[in-house]
Amino acid sequence: DAGVIQSPRHEVTEMGQEVTLRCKPISGHNSLFWYRQTMMRGLELLIYFNNNVPIDDSGMPEDRFSAKMPNASFSTLKIQPSEPRDSAVYFCASRGTVGDTQYFGPGTRLTVL
Amino acid sequence: AQSVAQPEDQVNVAEGNPLTVKCTYSVSGNPYLFWYVQYPNRGLQFLLKYITGDNLVKGSYGFEAEFNKSQTSFHLKKPSALVSDSALYFCAVRPLTGGGNKLTFGTGTQLKVEL
Repeated sequence: DAGVIQSPRHEVTEMGQEVTLRCKPISGHNSLFWYRQTMMRGLELLIYFNNNVPIDDSGMPEDRFSAKMPNASFSTLKIQPSEPRDSAVYFCASRGTVGDTQYFGPGTRLTVL
Repeated sequence: AQSVAQPEDQVNVAEGNPLTVKCTYSVSGNPYLFWYVQYPNRGLQFLLKYITGDNLVKGSYGFEAEFNKSQTSFHLKKPSALVSDSALYFCAVRPLTGGGNKLTFGTGTQLKVEL
């Protein structure tokens, strides 16, 4: 299995621009998680989906952030408009129905100038 | 609410010596416990987990962890450290039943293994 796939791996953008991060979970997994990692805050859960349905988005920082999962093999995290304080590494993770281990993607390093 | 504490920001150990990375947790009911490792510029990699059963759990790369219910601890150990073990280690917990899918992670412990 290819594991969790994220794109792009690196993104540099200017303040005010829209940013879209993409994730393809492991095939057959039915839960998907978006995390953000910064030096100041560590690893934060932003939102997670079960069977493509958002279950808990209490970690989403503000309305500028939105996430979708249109089908079982694809999810997006969008920031509009982006701000310098959004600079971080964003991870996607997926979990299958058997067992409870979350498997992480390689992350997207976002820099907002 | 569930929580994880990793009391040491950094652990230094000489290669060949045993290593311990500490983790204590708080959760309602029985815990589901995990250790992950993160190498520079990489995602988190699963090392091992405890669900039920034997308190000593063996995982990848020679790591093991010991679950201690009375001390609410789940310390990560390895009998002989390698320089290549140098990385950031995260402990995580969720309730075994209920609590949804949310894993709560600790703040991480940087392990540095020196020659």
